[in-house]
Amino acid sequence: EDQVTQSPEALRLQEGESSSLNCSYTVSGLRGLFWYRQDPGKGPEFLFTLYSAGEEKEKERLKATLTKKESFLHITAPKPEDSATYLCAVHFSGTASKLTFGTGTRLQVTL
Amino acid sequence: DTGVSQDPRHKITKRGQNVTFRCDPISEHNRLYWYRQTLGQGPEFLTYFQNEAQLEKSRLLSDRFSAERPKGSFSTLEIQRTEQGDSAMYLCASSSTGNYGYTFGSGTRLTVV
Repeated sequence: EDQVTQSPEALRLQEGESSSLNCSYTVSGLRGLFWYRQDPGKGPEFLFTLYSAGEEKEKERLKATLTKKESFLHITAPKPEDSATYLCAVHFSGTASKLTFGTGTRLQVTL
Repeated sequence: DTGVSQDPRHKITKRGQNVTFRCDPISEHNRLYWYRQTLGQGPEFLTYFQNEAQLEKSRLLSDRFSAERPKGSFSTLEIQRTEQGDSAMYLCASSSTGNYGYTFGSGTRLTVV
């Protein structure tokens, strides 16, 4: 069964302390990998799409990278407003249009 | 473009009652999705429409669940004979063909008591 695993489950950083979140997936044919941000009580907000190994995308303090079996979301010099749950989702081959989500990484950035 | 709208935002119902949720997608998006999310988990796929056609349903979507998208515009998700295990956030999302970067709504939080 296609699976998406995220680590760590939770991460606490001080403002300015850079780190990375990991998303690994069963290699059964990747059509796309997606990163979302979710604030409490709200729906996920789209951040990035990655389609092939070696691809990178950046937005402000966030950078997403993709290899053949995992993706990283790098957070550079985070600020308190970056605190949220970050979700990874994969569109696997043969699954029409659905995305399979991981359980997310809860990020807290403190002053 | 006002984004994806979901109504109601919160619903509390007694076990055994029927509930219906509505989703209004972004007008130019032809694809519409329903997901369910429980606390501490990622969203789980329920069903997907392309225009008015329901093209895929998850095994999670038991006979008590039904979804429609008449005329390819808004969509409704109905749960009959609700159970406590149905308590969750029900998320709707939309996208255009070939673009899987969904736009999600804020969700409907269902509590079954």
